[in-house]
Amino acid sequence: NAGVMQNPRHLVRRRGQEARLRCSPMKGHSHVYWYRQLPEEGLKFMVYLQKENIIDESGMPKERFSAEFPKEGPSILRIQQVVRGDSAAYFCASSPPAGLADTQYFGPGTRLTVL
Amino acid sequence: RKEVEQDPGPFNVPEGATVAFNCTYSNSASQSFFWYRQDCRKEPKLLMSVYSSGNEDGRFTAQLNRASQYISLLIRDSKLSDSATYLCVVNKRGLTGGGNKLTFGTGTQLKVEL
Repeated sequence: NAGVMQNPRHLVRRRGQEARLRCSPMKGHSHVYWYRQLPEEGLKFMVYLQKENIIDESGMPKERFSAEFPKEGPSILRIQQVVRGDSAAYFCASSPPAGLADTQYFGPGTRLTVL
Repeated sequence: RKEVEQDPGPFNVPEGATVAFNCTYSNSASQSFFWYRQDCRKEPKLLMSVYSSGNEDGRFTAQLNRASQYISLLIRDSKLSDSATYLCVVNKRGLTGGGNKLTFGTGTQLKVEL
């Protein structure tokens, strides 16, 4: 059973470009979470999604950031018009459907560098 | 005040030592508690869940005190491979009843030395 997969592992963008980060949850997991870890800081929750639904986006910046988890395919975190402050590690986690367990399993992360 | 507070360390200890980490959380509605381990530039990995009754997994013992909103992790007979950052994590289950939003402490760095 493959773990949580994220790609790309490293992404370099120039200011003003778009960044797309992809996350495939563990098999059988229907909940996906995105976290951001800025340099020298702890992980911060961004958004929680189930298939085709955003459940909690209280940690998402109000502008330029969006997330989706379509019926088919991976979850996507999209950052438009990136700025240097967006440079961080972005981790995706997944968990089983409600009632089975609430442990979250993390992917290896995408390290975004904005030049 | 941060929702989850930890001493950042670093804790430098010799191999074989016993080391204890502490953590406090501010949200009394928190329902689940965990210790994760994060190696440099890698993803957090679940070390253990934490229960009020206390739980032990080999050399690791975790304890929760809900009244004091305090969580601890004890590592006995530390190994070089224990060197990592230890993250105290709490969650509050969402109103939908499913899923949860983890709140992380900034982590305590442990360095085990020969």
